[in-house]
Amino acid sequence: DIQMTQSPSSLSASVGDRVTITCRASQDIRNHLVWYQQKPGKVPKLLIYAASTLQTGVPSRFSGSASGTDFTLTIISLQPEDVATYYCQKYDNAYRTFGQGTKVEI
Amino acid sequence: VQLVESGGGVVQPGGSLRLSCVASEFTFSSSGMHWVRQAPGKWLEWVAFIPYDGSFQYYADSVRGRFTISRDNSRHTLFLQMNSLRAEDTAVYYCVNDAIFGKDIDYWGQGTLVTVSS
Repeated sequence: DIQMTQSPSSLSASVGDRVTITCRASQDIRNHLVWYQQKPGKVPKLLIYAASTLQTGVPSRFSGSASGTDFTLTIISLQPEDVATYYCQKYDNAYRTFGQGTKVEI
Repeated sequence: VQLVESGGGVVQPGGSLRLSCVASEFTFSSSGMHWVRQAPGKWLEWVAFIPYDGSFQYYADSVRGRFTISRDNSRHTLFLQMNSLRAEDTAVYYCVNDAIFGKDIDYWGQGTLVTVSS
């Protein structure tokens, strides 16, 4: 089974900081990766699909990139409303493994 | 679009539960469906998938052989039969449609809590 290793598990940054979260797949998943944002008590919200395509309505301060089996979610300028846990998930096949999440705090 | 899960509750280790997810305002019969769970304070875990026609099923290693995903398209309902439950199965269980990202929207139910405890 393909494993998704996400790092860091948590981070604290200041408003306006650039924040980077990494997700590594144990095998090639092409660009079949999404990023979700989950706030406490809420269901996950899709931010990015196909590794780098911004979902409609998501602020442009969020971006995604890929290099081989390494994927990155970047928040260009962290805002207070971005406090949440972020998850990557692969969708190259029916086994939709998630990363273990990154909790972002301010 | 609504996905409404039900069937959660408290069950003893080794027991069984059957979860349901009813879809409305949604082309359920043409969509694959997933179950995803989240233990209290923990990360999301994909559990199982069934395609639109129920022709096969995929499971996470942690539940294979104990859980069974199924569907009834005439009733717009997805099921998860959970047997031989363990404490580590305690979680909120969500049903989610198999969205084609970029074309479809992924819909999540509100979740139903399963607690496995003696």
